[in-house]
Amino acid sequence: DAKTTQPNSMESNEEEPVHLPCNHSTISGTDYIHWYRQLPSQGPEYVIHGLTSNVNNRMASLAIAEDRKSSTLILHRATLRDAAVYYCILRDHSGAGSYQLTFGKGTKLSVIP
Amino acid sequence: NAGVMQNPRHLVRRRGQEARLRCSPMKGHSHVYWYRQLPEEGLKFMVYLQKENIIDESGMPKERFSAEFPKEGPSILRIQQVVRGDSAAYFCASSPNSGTNPAGELFFGEGSRLTVL
Repeated sequence: DAKTTQPNSMESNEEEPVHLPCNHSTISGTDYIHWYRQLPSQGPEYVIHGLTSNVNNRMASLAIAEDRKSSTLILHRATLRDAAVYYCILRDHSGAGSYQLTFGKGTKLSVIP
Repeated sequence: NAGVMQNPRHLVRRRGQEARLRCSPMKGHSHVYWYRQLPEEGLKFMVYLQKENIIDESGMPKERFSAEFPKEGPSILRIQQVVRGDSAAYFCASSPNSGTNPAGELFFGEGSRLTVL
């Protein structure tokens, strides 16, 4: 699986935007970029995914660099409930890579009231 | 629509005992995945099952661990003769279609936390 690199931790003030970066310089052309988050004592929760174009949904936005070697998850207005570990994951559609999600250490986001 | 249901949420076993963890996928989902999260680590894939079939068990330890997903009832992850190193959170996920769909999300349960004394 292609590897991703994320900062260990980040802090944000409540109600401010948060930009969570992810580097994936060895991404292949068939890899999708997925983001999951894990709230304390809970299972991971899907946030968003994309291939080449920027994506928006009700939870967040995903900005993908033109060369696809990096991406940024954007939370437009952080709330206390967004405090979690955020995982950036690459999934290809050839065989096992698509369901064997590789969770690294992720970025632990703290939200300050 | 109920999400992925796992039970028990917490399980305490003594070394040498057996642990059985159950997972009911979301309604309409026939694909189940088990992941393990050791303390202070990321989740690691263990096994992928469809009804009555093990599709990929490449992440399962070679001994003492087994998984099944019978035609009726929940998926079961069974750990025989538990050791302290088995203490972890075990997460089950499900999806409505084949895991080879790269855009499809996995829906995770809240996990079963096993503590081995």
